[in-house]
Amino acid sequence: DGGITQSPKYLFRKEGQNVTLSCEQNLNHDAMYWYRQDPGQGLRLIYYSQIVNDFQKGDIAEGYSVSREKKESFPLTVTSAQKNPTAFYLCASTPGWAKLFFGSGTQLSVL
Amino acid sequence: QQQVKQSPQSLIVQKGGISIINCAYENTAFDYFPWYQQFPGKGPALLIAIRPDVSEKKEGRFTISFNKSAKQFSLHIMDSQPGDSATYFCAASKETSGSRLTFGEGTQLTVNP
Repeated sequence: DGGITQSPKYLFRKEGQNVTLSCEQNLNHDAMYWYRQDPGQGLRLIYYSQIVNDFQKGDIAEGYSVSREKKESFPLTVTSAQKNPTAFYLCASTPGWAKLFFGSGTQLSVL
Repeated sequence: QQQVKQSPQSLIVQKGGISIINCAYENTAFDYFPWYQQFPGKGPALLIAIRPDVSEKKEGRFTISFNKSAKQFSLHIMDSQPGDSATYFCAASKETSGSRLTFGEGTQLTVNP
């Protein structure tokens, strides 16, 4: 069953802690994306990667980091530098131009 | 800079009615305009998309109307059903940016039975 798997579904972060959100896809897509969703603000691009071992900052990259060591995996780390991390995080991939396939998201909250 | 403005923020429609959601964009280089549908706790899914060489595209009960001169496009949902209750996002991109979409703020649609 092909798709994008995000884990965990819910995550809690303590003050000063780094947390990592997992995103795995078995669709053989080259490009992967991380979006942040806040109520009333739509989806904002954090980072994206067009190929393995390469990634680019999106519109709101500060306080986040990513890696792309494997085609299937694109983990997102929310660092302690991100002062307002509470949001719904969405990972997506695409086989080509424009059509995005999204995972089911991770809700991150601050303790 | 918000390049895609979406309205209304929320919409309540009776079953069988027409739901209309509007979007306006600023960047004339945009050449691909999709709509995504998102149910609570899930990721968005592509619903329908249009390119600026046509003024309208219809898929079942869903229609996109596109006005290039006004830099506006809209989603019409005919015969709205309670199962259509979801959040809808418009988006735009330009071919040279690959799949880097700019999203609108979203519209929460509720269809009452």
